[in-house]
Amino acid sequence: NAGVTQTPKFRVLKTGQSMTLLCAQDMNHEYMYWYRQDPGMGLRLIHYSVGEGTTAKGEVPDGYNVSRLKKQNFLLGLESAAPSQTSVYFCASSYGRGTNTGELFFGEGSRLTVL
Amino acid sequence: AQSVTQLDSQVPVFEEAPVELRCNYSSSVSVYLFWYVQYPNQGLQLLLKYLSGSTLVKGINGFEAEFNKSQTSFHLRKPSVHISDTAEYFCAVRARSDSGQNQAGTALIFGKGTTLSVSS
Repeated sequence: NAGVTQTPKFRVLKTGQSMTLLCAQDMNHEYMYWYRQDPGMGLRLIHYSVGEGTTAKGEVPDGYNVSRLKKQNFLLGLESAAPSQTSVYFCASSYGRGTNTGELFFGEGSRLTVL
Repeated sequence: AQSVTQLDSQVPVFEEAPVELRCNYSSSVSVYLFWYVQYPNQGLQLLLKYLSGSTLVKGINGFEAEFNKSQTSFHLRKPSVHISDTAEYFCAVRARSDSGQNQAGTALIFGKGTTLSVSS
């Protein structure tokens, strides 16, 4: 069972470069999320989506964009990478309202370094 | 809005000793509560969750947590830890889906984590 799959798992960028992280889930979940994890900061929500074609800002959205063109995919884009975006990024998904037990299912993370 | 405070950033213990990782939350609506574990270089794995009913919930690997509404706490405990329990533990809160809160409240809010280090 694949669950939540993130690609790539590792990436090194130079300041100003752009890139896209892909998250794919095969559990038919309605909700999807992007978090970043930094030492001593826990996980902070970047953007989330409650359904195909809809996205919303989380706690730390600046410098990121997202798209949810297909239910199973949630893309996180960095248009112009900055060293402050060096982090580990986690994608997660969950059932939607009505069947929502609250549990999130996480990918294994994508480690991004911006030089 | 919800928030979570994990009261200890690091907890060192010896193998076979009991451990308690403390978590307090703040919310104006009813919530679900969770503990996740993250082993080195891995993603997050659900340990246990409180949705409703009994305030004592049991999870995987011998962990349990008790929901205390009056204290707004959800402390994680294990009576005897193993070396393999060394990991980072995250407490998280989420507004209940029937709380009346709009969909913006469906995200899981995490604490900053507690690093549990078990030594022999």
